[in-house]
Amino acid sequence: AQTVTQSQPEMSVQEAETVTLSCTYDTSESDYYLFWYKQPPSRQMILVIRQEAYKQQNATENRFSVNFQKAAKSFSLKISDSQLGDAAMYFCAYRRGTSGSRLTFGEGTQLTVNP
Amino acid sequence: DVKVTQSSRYLVKRTGEKVFLECVQDMDHENMFWYRQDPGLGLRLIYFSYDVKMKEKGDIPEGYSVSREKKERFSLILESASTNQTSMYLCASNWGYEQYFGPGTRLTVT
Repeated sequence: AQTVTQSQPEMSVQEAETVTLSCTYDTSESDYYLFWYKQPPSRQMILVIRQEAYKQQNATENRFSVNFQKAAKSFSLKISDSQLGDAAMYFCAYRRGTSGSRLTFGEGTQLTVNP
Repeated sequence: DVKVTQSSRYLVKRTGEKVFLECVQDMDHENMFWYRQDPGLGLRLIYFSYDVKMKEKGDIPEGYSVSREKKERFSLILESASTNQTSMYLCASNWGYEQYFGPGTRLTVT
């Protein structure tokens, strides 16, 4: 079975600074996807970024980027130029390559952004 | 715009009551999911459905059942609510890479 681990229950960052959230996973599959989701106080889950396992290039979405280390089974999220609106719970998630597959989530990291 | 709605944002029920949590998506998605979210545990899959009248158990199905009579609607049923089912419940539907989530129902069982 696949597992996803986020070892940082809480993180904080100063506004405009950079923060990195960690995630490790375990799988025997070769075809899979990794995601970072954001859950602000409104509780609405929002997809932040997606990484396909077959792609060597790290995904980037504006101020958000990932460091995907396939051999180490590590998938960290870097947030640059942090903004107050980035404050949220962040979840790392794994999905097998098969269409429609369920997501397996990590425990979550609560990010605080200090003004 | 993608939309997944859940029938209640907050719900308070008594122990032993039968509880229905409703989820509706307007995107004609085949796959729908029910997750439970607890602090320190992340989201855990309760049940999912890949077609009308089809269902599969997730990681924590005990104490729950589901119903999917129409493609757009996926219901989670607590046959006899217990205090350990106090939690946040999130519904999602899936198309391609992405799962789309509803706003969640915070259920309190007293």
